[in-house]
Amino acid sequence: DAKTTQPNSMESNEEEPVHLPCNHSTISGTDYIHWYRQLPSQGPEYVIHGLTSNVNNRMASLAIAEDRKSSTLILHRATLRDAAVYYCILRASGSARQLTFGSGTQLTVLP
Amino acid sequence: DTEVTQTPKHLVMGMTNKKSLKCEQHMGHRAMYWYKQKAKKPPELMFVYSYEKLSINESVPSRFSPECPNSSLLNLHLHALQPEDSALYLCASSPGLAGASSEQFFGPGTRLTVL
Repeated sequence: DAKTTQPNSMESNEEEPVHLPCNHSTISGTDYIHWYRQLPSQGPEYVIHGLTSNVNNRMASLAIAEDRKSSTLILHRATLRDAAVYYCILRASGSARQLTFGSGTQLTVLP
Repeated sequence: DTEVTQTPKHLVMGMTNKKSLKCEQHMGHRAMYWYKQKAKKPPELMFVYSYEKLSINESVPSRFSPECPNSSLLNLHLHALQPEDSALYLCASSPGLAGASSEQFFGPGTRLTVL
């Protein structure tokens, strides 16, 4: 699977937007971009995924660069409950590829 | 019901003990997974089951023995573990194996300590 690079940690103030970056310069044309997050003492939780177009759901938005070599997870208004490790993962299409977690970004939300 | 349950929540065992971890889902998913997560590290895939058959074994030592008795249940049998096997063991499920857009649902994990 192609690799992803994320900052080790980020801080945000409560009720402000958060932009979590992910670089994936070796992404192939059929790789989907997935985001999961892991809250303290819990299992990972699906957040969002996309292929080429920007995506929105109730939790977040995913902005994908035109060349697909990077993406950004956007939390529109961070809350204290959003403090977690956020993982950006590439999954190849058309095969039984599994989730290969990178080191992720530890998001701290300040009150 | 969109939940994956795991029991027990915590387990302490000696190196000579035999114990089992249990995972259950009632979402009709046909793929189930075991992951191992050491402290401050990301989860690492151990086993994948598809339609109750072992599909992937990521070179896991034989002291870990998975079992999928039916489509809703996944067990991980533990025997002669080492202290370095202490970790959080996560179970996950998904509708199927293939499909890069398929979401995985994770349980809360079993915190295992080997003395």
